[in-house]
Amino acid sequence: DQQVKQNSPSLSVQEGRISILNCDYTNSMFDYFLWYKKYPAEGPTFLISISSIKDKNEDGRFTVFLNKSAKHLSLHIVPSQPGDSAVYFCAVQGGSSGDKLTFGTGTRLAVRP
Amino acid sequence: GAGVSQSPRYKVAKRGQDVALRCDPISGHVSLFWYQQALGQGPEFLTYFQNEAQLDKSGLPSDRFFAERPEGSVSTLKIQRTQQEDSAVYLCASSLVLAGYNEQFFGPGTRLTVL
Repeated sequence: DQQVKQNSPSLSVQEGRISILNCDYTNSMFDYFLWYKKYPAEGPTFLISISSIKDKNEDGRFTVFLNKSAKHLSLHIVPSQPGDSAVYFCAVQGGSSGDKLTFGTGTRLAVRP
Repeated sequence: GAGVSQSPRYKVAKRGQDVALRCDPISGHVSLFWYQQALGQGPEFLTYFQNEAQLDKSGLPSDRFFAERPEGSVSTLKIQRTQQEDSAVYLCASSLVLAGYNEQFFGPGTRLTVL
């Protein structure tokens, strides 16, 4: 029973264009929704988060959108840069799950120069 | 460095061997988490400590897995009688305990291969 799903295992985008990564979740009781970025042989690093009471949070080139009615989370990166090439995980936290993170399976983003 | 460190970075074990994986959290971080990441999957929660207290061990897959944090700082994840299905990257994360969202800072992980 996977609570967090990332249905696209990979995404390829031209440098300078927008990257959109998607995530769906099944439980409405989470408090925070997050995106982590992972390079090979490194641990995940926090990218951006959004509280369940908001529908948008922006940080530089990164914007996270939360659609609670659709139980859908998305990450927009604009403009995309080659250094953004990595695996992106969405994660949820809070509610009955407490402080632990529940991750999706990840989307590998490749930004072509 | 001030980040989370883990050792060893790579471990190869023969099936049936015991292994111990170490995590040094960021100084002052109260919370410590262990996650297991199998190939092609996202990290999955194993267990959680607040200081030396293990508050949640619901993610440990079997009684062969044991974690401790005796002095509320360094933590060790021990796997007894390793099996091939234990092969994965084991990630440790630490965080402060503040009101609201607490960012978890991850170490580089230990890649365990059981032959």
